[in-house]
Amino acid sequence: DSGVTQTPKHLITATGQRVTLRCSPRSGDLSVYWYQQSLDQGLQFLIQYYNGEERAKGNILERFSAQQFPDLHSELNLSSLELGDSALYFCASSGGLESYGYTFGSGTRLTVV
Amino acid sequence: AQKVTQAQTEISVVEKEDVTLDCVYETRDTTYYLFWYKQPPSGELVFLIRRNSFDEQNEISGRYSWNFQKSTSSFNFTITASQVVDSAVYFCALSLSTNAGKSTFGDGTTLTVKP
Repeated sequence: DSGVTQTPKHLITATGQRVTLRCSPRSGDLSVYWYQQSLDQGLQFLIQYYNGEERAKGNILERFSAQQFPDLHSELNLSSLELGDSALYFCASSGGLESYGYTFGSGTRLTVV
Repeated sequence: AQKVTQAQTEISVVEKEDVTLDCVYETRDTTYYLFWYKQPPSGELVFLIRRNSFDEQNEISGRYSWNFQKSTSSFNFTITASQVVDSAVYFCALSLSTNAGKSTFGDGTTLTVKP
């Protein structure tokens, strides 16, 4: 157990729907990162939050949004889902603003049908 | 922009063989960080090592060793006396000091160690 908790582990939903992925960082970590892993794109950085504020943004689609709450857990919202959004979504955490090495959660496998 | 290239898509070895996974990176920044992660068949990503650009000392941790060479922009990973449990996808990643939270990952090398 890495200490980073992601729920749900699996999610199957239809095109056009909206889903929310949840992540609780390792105790004491202030930064949360979201990554998407797909066969064609590999591991892609989506967004970073640090202590509730957005700190860095990657190639995150406008249909996707995220936030980090006062208790430091984070949610990634994916809307108007398309077949191509099917992927493994990882959350990672680190202590500060920069990564000394992420601690990853076990991921949420999203399947859009 | 930064880029990480892992040219070896798949490597297959027999147990107890040594194997080196290559990683070549591109960046114009002078301060950056390099990482290796392991993704076993179970799917989770596990941090292995972090190196900053000012530290070219090679590192050894048990059967694992890393060779960082700025002159060739490479950060290679060697597993000595490989074991079946080393079978996994290995990712090399790069972060810049200007945006140190974000890592750019290579496409990964799938290592299969056969008994």
